[in-house]
Amino acid sequence: DTGVSQDPRHKITKRGQNVTFRCDPISEHNRLYWYRQTLGQGPEFLTYFQNEAQLEKSRLLSDRFSAERPKGSFSTLEIQRTEQGDSAMYLCASSPIQNTEAFFGQGTRLTVV
Amino acid sequence: AQSVTQLGSHVSVSEGALVLLRCNYSSSVPPYLFWYVQYPNQGLQLLLKYTTGATLVKGINGFEAEFKKSETSFHLTKPSAHMSDAAEYFCAVSSGGSYIPTFGRGTSLIVHP
Repeated sequence: DTGVSQDPRHKITKRGQNVTFRCDPISEHNRLYWYRQTLGQGPEFLTYFQNEAQLEKSRLLSDRFSAERPKGSFSTLEIQRTEQGDSAMYLCASSPIQNTEAFFGQGTRLTVV
Repeated sequence: AQSVTQLGSHVSVSEGALVLLRCNYSSSVPPYLFWYVQYPNQGLQLLLKYTTGATLVKGINGFEAEFKKSETSFHLTKPSAHMSDAAEYFCAVSSGGSYIPTFGRGTSLIVHP
């Protein structure tokens, strides 16, 4: 297994467009997290899944943000009607159970122009 | 609620000098604590973790950290800095029913020749 994989690594989009990011967790990891990281800050929690169930989504930044994890495998994070303030690194992480460390992907850097 | 405070956004040391990065946490229940390292445009890599048991934890690349419950601290140290240690370091806490990792704002370690 090669770790958590995120696609794309970079995305440039025009303001108002929709974007979707994909995350493939480590096989058999039932927990999957999404974080956002802006310059000079630590990762900011957005949402997480336990298998296919989204257990916390109140921290998603607005109703323009949504995430799915069909069948409890890969996950997607969608941002609708992007704004310049959405420009950031979006990080995905997975873990086998709840009280172990999270393993991070390399992130997707979003630039909204 | 849980939170992490990292004292000092930047720490500068000479090569061969002691590295000390400070982390204080807040948690209403016994926490799990982590240190991660991030290189530019990369995801986060786990350095070390404390879950239960021995309070002095050794990690990769010669780093170690000590969990001090009375001081609510989990400071990261390395006896001798190397140029390759220059990176961003994040402390994280995970506790409570959901065990969602919460990160500090990070400390940038600068190593001078």
